[in-house]
Amino acid sequence: EPEVTQTPSHQVTQMGQEVILRCVPISNHLYFYWYRQILGQKVEFLVSFYNNEISEKSEIFDDQFSVERPDGSNFTLKIRSTKLEDSAMYFCARRGRGASQETQYFGPGTRLLVL
Amino acid sequence: EDKVVQSPLSLVVHEGDTVTLNCSYEVTNFRSLLWYKQEKKAPTFLFMLTSSGIEKKSGRLSSILDKKELSSILNITATQTGDSAIYLCAAIPMYSGGGADGLTFGKGTHLIIQP
Repeated sequence: EPEVTQTPSHQVTQMGQEVILRCVPISNHLYFYWYRQILGQKVEFLVSFYNNEISEKSEIFDDQFSVERPDGSNFTLKIRSTKLEDSAMYFCARRGRGASQETQYFGPGTRLLVL
Repeated sequence: EDKVVQSPLSLVVHEGDTVTLNCSYEVTNFRSLLWYKQEKKAPTFLFMLTSSGIEKKSGRLSSILDKKELSSILNITATQTGDSAIYLCAAIPMYSGGGADGLTFGKGTHLIIQP
């Protein structure tokens, strides 16, 4: 099954700036997820999004983060006032369909570097 | 707190060897386990295991879940240099509807296959 695409592939920003990471589904999906992976560490769940609403969020997903689907298609993760420790790979994932509906398929990721 | 532990954390073998990677989990409302391969960027899906004792196979890779021992193994036979990657396992909680199924990942096993 095709995954999702993500833009940008890399982003460098200054501490305190806002960034918006985008996830573009290849076909119509309802379930999306954001994960992050700090260099050398494990993949961590941030938030899940179902039918245009947040359905679950982790402790990491505090007020600094927000998600939305502004145009009914692209799915965005906004990080307000970035900190050095936000530097990580951010992955968008979507749930499979039919027999694969419990599987999550990952996009290529956005590498965020906060200076 | 849900936890997934993988061992070993790293492994170096020679081409042609067989390897066994381990994953154990402590997850409330456990539903299924996923195995992923991570090379340069995004995790790519390998297997989903839901039922205990039923082996899943794909080419030289196979995996099995033991719900009694709360663990899973991933076997790779006749390893090739292209198998070099980080292998991740992740637990899926019981599906409660509405997308509340963020994955809990282990730290991964970094496998290096030497020619």
